[in-house]
Amino acid sequence: EPEVTQTPSHQVTQMGQEVILRCVPISNHLYFYWYRQILGQKVEFLVSFYNNEISEKSEIFDDQFSVERPDGSNFTLKIRSTKLEDSAMYFCASKGLTNQPQHFGDGTRLSIL
Amino acid sequence: AQSVTQLDSHVSVSEGTPVLLRCNYSSSYSPSLFWYVQHPNKGLQLLLKYTSAATLVKGINGFEAEFKKSETSFHLTKPSAHMSDAAEYFCVVSETTDSWGKLQFGAGTQVVVTP
Repeated sequence: EPEVTQTPSHQVTQMGQEVILRCVPISNHLYFYWYRQILGQKVEFLVSFYNNEISEKSEIFDDQFSVERPDGSNFTLKIRSTKLEDSAMYFCASKGLTNQPQHFGDGTRLSIL
Repeated sequence: AQSVTQLDSHVSVSEGTPVLLRCNYSSSYSPSLFWYVQHPNKGLQLLLKYTSAATLVKGINGFEAEFKKSETSFHLTKPSAHMSDAAEYFCVVSETTDSWGKLQFGAGTQVVVTP
């Protein structure tokens, strides 16, 4: 069965550094998402992406965050200048059609020191 | 605006006994409802979904859930727990009127299965 894959599984970065989290969605999917889960808290929506542009974003997704689909297969989340509070598990998801469920990757655990 | 409340943060069951995970939702319009499971160090796997068809929804691994509009509930059940069911379970809602379909997660229920 096709899967969403995320790399790396664990990323450790110094505060203030830029970080890029990578995702390869399922190949024929059209809608792409990032969510995050801070330890002990709920999974939170960050951003959705469709037709090469952001379709919706949460208030968490400020100017420090950006997403890109550079080559038709990868879907990346960049955090420009990381803060301690960005430490979380980040999940990528994708879906094919509007009424289909989202499929999730295994996540990237981001640790900011 | 939609939201989800999972009524139990932890549930402990004996192997072979029934499992009940409770979920209540609020939704402005017509919701889509899902249950996802997360095993340790793994991603979120879809167990089942409700999208305004049959109110009793069957999912993978013997799980099912019943949509009750009058009670705004979507409880997850399994007749007989297996050791492999130990995981965290998330009740999730999205609005069918939202094309992008962002998901709103509950806080999760940690299930422990004892031999």
